[in-house]
Amino acid sequence: LAKTTQPISMDSYEGQEVNITCSHNNIATNDYITWYQQFPSQGPRFIIQGYKTKVTNEVASLFIPADRKSSTLSLPRVSLSDTAVYYCLVGGADSSYKLIFGSGTRLLVRP
Amino acid sequence: ETGVTQTPRHLVMGMTNKKSLKCEQHLGHNAMYWYKQSAKKPLELMFVYNFKEQTENNSVPSRFSPECPNSSHLFLHLHTLQPEDSALYLCASSQDWSGLTIYLAKNIQYFGAGTRLSVL
Repeated sequence: LAKTTQPISMDSYEGQEVNITCSHNNIATNDYITWYQQFPSQGPRFIIQGYKTKVTNEVASLFIPADRKSSTLSLPRVSLSDTAVYYCLVGGADSSYKLIFGSGTRLLVRP
Repeated sequence: ETGVTQTPRHLVMGMTNKKSLKCEQHLGHNAMYWYKQSAKKPLELMFVYNFKEQTENNSVPSRFSPECPNSSHLFLHLHTLQPEDSALYLCASSQDWSGLTIYLAKNIQYFGAGTRLSVL
């Protein structure tokens, strides 16, 4: 399973765009990149998943460069309720049922 | 509401007690998981079931005993726990990995809200 590296914490203000970058240098050909969000005392919640280029949904955008060795989760116009831990995971066909959660990025949104 | 329901939400038990955690999913999934999340630690995968068959036991002590009677229900039976077992226990479900690459690669897990367990 490809290891991921992401910043431990980030601060932002309401209304700003937040970009969280994740490094996954050993990503395999079949691996997808998935991001989860977790609030305190809750289970992680799926945000977005992508394989290459750009993916956008109602919550976020995911940018993946051509070499796929990193990815950036973009949260437009964050609010206080976006304060959470964000996890980047990489997995593929061989053992994808194993989600290996790292420490994630703790995002704090200030008023 | 994620479609995965865990009960109870909070549980306090003594080290000699026996209790069970319950998880139920209404998503039509065939794979279910137990995770443990201790304070300030990443989630740790404990057990995996696919079509009611246990496919993963991540070196979990025998005082934790999982049970999966059908694809919609998952239990975690607890006995003679230790204080260090206090944690948030999370259940998740996903599509099965029946050999279709597209499903395998896209494995998206849906988590319940968890059971906050305190062992005294």
